[in-house]
Amino acid sequence: QEQLVESGGGVVQPGGSLRLSCAASGFTFSRYDMHWVRQAPGKGLEWVTFIRNDGGNKYYIDSVRGRFTISRDNSKSALYLQINSLRVDDTAVYYCAKWTGYPGGFDVWGQGTMVTVSS
Amino acid sequence: DIQMTQSPSTLSASVGDRVTITCRASQSIRSWLAWYQQRPGRAPKVLIYQASTLETGVPSRFSGSGSGTEFTLTISSLQPDDFATYYCQQYSSYWTFGQGTKVEI
Repeated sequence: QEQLVESGGGVVQPGGSLRLSCAASGFTFSRYDMHWVRQAPGKGLEWVTFIRNDGGNKYYIDSVRGRFTISRDNSKSALYLQINSLRVDDTAVYYCAKWTGYPGGFDVWGQGTMVTVSS
Repeated sequence: DIQMTQSPSTLSASVGDRVTITCRASQSIRSWLAWYQQRPGRAPKVLIYQASTLETGVPSRFSGSGSGTEFTLTISSLQPDDFATYYCQQYSSYWTFGQGTKVEI
């Protein structure tokens, strides 16, 4: 079945960096646009970033632009999120999600990986 | 940026109740709206897309309606598994989630 598995989360000091990974299986990864969505503890969902299926277009929420970089390796069916200059308010569970494209929604989600920014 | 506002933030209900959640967009998003269910400690799950299309495998007690700026998610007869938090999401211009509606007993 279609599956996404995130990894790479952890505890990091403010100003630090992490690289999150998302391994896809059960579908042709290169055909689909992908997203990262985050959820701070006890809070709602926040869309973070998008990458087109071929790695072309990339979009970011304003609060992470210039600090986060989304990328993918279609040969490895893998999605990445490089997060730099981490701030306390970046603390969240980070989910990768597959988008079917219009007209659909995000139909496959990973289990999430926790990023904690604390001194 | 398009803002999404859900109401209510919390909803108390009983098994068998009919439940309606409203989502308003700050500008027209046509029908580019999805609804998600999230149970505690779990990833979200898409229920409805394009405002009213039921995702494959989702029970028919869930339905969505609306277009433009006002949308509703209705659960016709609340089941024990339905106690969860529900989010709307617009995808007309980038992507934005509502703040969520917690359906509790």
